[in-house]
Amino acid sequence: QVQLVQSGGEVKKPGTSVRVSCKTSGYTFTSYVITWVRQAPGQGLEWMGWINTYNGNTDYAQNVQDRVTMSADTSTSTAYMELRSLTYDDTAVYYCGRDPSGYDALDIWGQGTMVSVSS
Amino acid sequence: EIVLTQSPGTLSLSPGERATLSCRASQSVSSSYIAWYQQKPGQAPGLLIYGASYRATDIPDRFSGSGSGTDFTLTISRLQPEDFAVYYCQQYGSSPRTFGQGTKLEIK
Repeated sequence: QVQLVQSGGEVKKPGTSVRVSCKTSGYTFTSYVITWVRQAPGQGLEWMGWINTYNGNTDYAQNVQDRVTMSADTSTSTAYMELRSLTYDDTAVYYCGRDPSGYDALDIWGQGTMVSVSS
Repeated sequence: EIVLTQSPGTLSLSPGERATLSCRASQSVSSSYIAWYQQKPGQAPGLLIYGASYRATDIPDRFSGSGSGTDFTLTISRLQPEDFAVYYCQQYGSSPRTFGQGTKLEIK
């Protein structure tokens, strides 16, 4: 069955970086875009951007575009999201989701990765 | 950026009742690229509706979506105990993709 399995929770200090992975299985990795969404504690969903796993094209949200890099390793069917210069406001659950084209809804989601930024 | 405003913020209903959730966009959403997601505590969101009115795989037919342009609605015809959750709309027709702030559906 189709699965997106994310890496485990992280605790990071302000100013450092975090990389979250999203390992996929059960479908052809390069046929789908991977989108990243985050959710701060008790808050709503925030779209961060996506990566076209076929050609590597990306589209980032303006509020993180200077600090985020999304990548994809086709050999392991794994997508990555790296966020740099972390602040306390980056404390959130980070989700990856599968999108058939980049212009579709997210039909399958990962389980989420909690990233806590704390001194 | 298209801003999505969901109403009401919280909806208190009893099992068996009908729920109507609204999502209003600040500008027209192209090709009705609106999705609805359900999120239960401690879980990832799950897709309910895409293209404004198409049910996702295995979604019961008590869930229905409608609307076009700037006004969209999610209707749950007869609430089941497992339907009490938070619901988000999302537009995916233009960048940045945006979500509404959510509607919490709680048991009355």
